[in-house]
Amino acid sequence: GAVVSQHPSWVICKSGTSVKIECRSLDFQATTMFWYRQFPKQSLMLMATSNEGSKATYEQGVEKDKFLINHASLTLSTLTVTSAHPEDSSFYICSAPRDRAYEQYFGPGTRLTVT
Amino acid sequence: AQKVTQAQTEISVVEKEDVTLDCVYETRDTTYYLFWYKQPPSGELVFLIRRNSFDEQNEISGRYSWNFQKSTSSFNFTITASQVVDSAVYFCATENFNKFYFGSGTKLNVKP
Repeated sequence: GAVVSQHPSWVICKSGTSVKIECRSLDFQATTMFWYRQFPKQSLMLMATSNEGSKATYEQGVEKDKFLINHASLTLSTLTVTSAHPEDSSFYICSAPRDRAYEQYFGPGTRLTVT
Repeated sequence: AQKVTQAQTEISVVEKEDVTLDCVYETRDTTYYLFWYKQPPSGELVFLIRRNSFDEQNEISGRYSWNFQKSTSSFNFTITASQVVDSAVYFCATENFNKFYFGSGTKLNVKP
């Protein structure tokens, strides 16, 4: 069964609003989680690293004030897209390593559509 | 820097044909992992294989096989006797400190 879940699986929001996406590790603790973004028909690009108990680290070119990440517990990371715009419409996927990289589990993804 | 190149954007085959998906990677690490994932239309990534850079032995799993050649920095994936259910986007990836770097993906269309 799934070891990493995401909620919601899809969301539609209006331009200018904020939307929160949750990523949970179901049966293990993850001090680090990762957020990826996938535009239609494109590859997955790493956005940021979510660190439990400390600030997230963002990849170059990703606006940290727009994509707020909070790693509130060892099993939950949230990504908040603030003041969403249509160009933020994308598929967002989180991942969490269990012990090593080869035990990295990806969530099922969240499809965000901003109208 | 990590980089993965999947030169084939889209491939179409007829069911039962064999098909090979190419993957070329770049890394400065001496030890690294390579991965293949399948992404069906639902979007969820399906893990296919992980390969340690020290293990160059080719691997076969049912209709799937992987050819890892360190000398050419390639990690190609072959599907034998393709089936319609194999239609999906396939991603090759490397990993560095738990961060994954994906290729651009190859969309495989298997027609009946």
